[in-house]
Amino acid sequence: GENVEQHPSTLSVQEGDSAVIKCTYSDSASNYFPWYKQELGKGPQLIIDIRSNVGEKKDQRIAVTLNKTAKHFSLHITETQPEDSAVYFCAAPREATFGRGTSLIVHP
Amino acid sequence: ETGVTQTPRHLVMGMTNKKSLKCEQHLGHNAMYWYKQSAKKPLELMFVYNFKEQTENNSVPSRFSPECPNSSHLFLHLHTLQPEDSALYLCASSPRASGGNTGELFFGEGSRLTVL
Repeated sequence: GENVEQHPSTLSVQEGDSAVIKCTYSDSASNYFPWYKQELGKGPQLIIDIRSNVGEKKDQRIAVTLNKTAKHFSLHITETQPEDSAVYFCAAPREATFGRGTSLIVHP
Repeated sequence: ETGVTQTPRHLVMGMTNKKSLKCEQHLGHNAMYWYKQSAKKPLELMFVYNFKEQTENNSVPSRFSPECPNSSHLFLHLHTLQPEDSALYLCASSPRASGGNTGELFFGEGSRLTVL
């Protein structure tokens, strides 16, 4: 089945810094790459996604980049704020499976 | 509010009890999912239903029994659980779950289960 590897497991940054989380996948047929954010006490929510026909997508302070040759996609958060602190998951939708998650901590 | 409602939010049960978790979605989706979230295995897929038919059973022990009476409702029946089954159980829905990508998953807030 689809294998999704996510790194790092924990990321600690100062407010205003950038944060990058990376996922690698195994299924060459994958063509949709989402990122989810899970805040404490809530279920995960989609924050950004990208399809395989583009290499990058931005939405204000967050962006996702895709490298289909290397089979990895990354989440970029710029100008981090304390409210960005949460657990972030990448997913492999072909089998509804998720990476192990990255706990992002943004220090004021 | 994501349109996916789970009840109860918290449940404490003994190993000999029988209880059920309920999930309801108001999004008109055709696919519904159960995930188990624990410290050891975050977001572990358990079951997938597509148009009320089970399409995925991810080697889940038989003490977990899913039921999907229609596309809007999903249940997880629990019996003779073990303490290691304590976890957050998340329900999700999506427009579809076959023939390719699931698309965006919409999650409920989860049911926190503690097995004593």
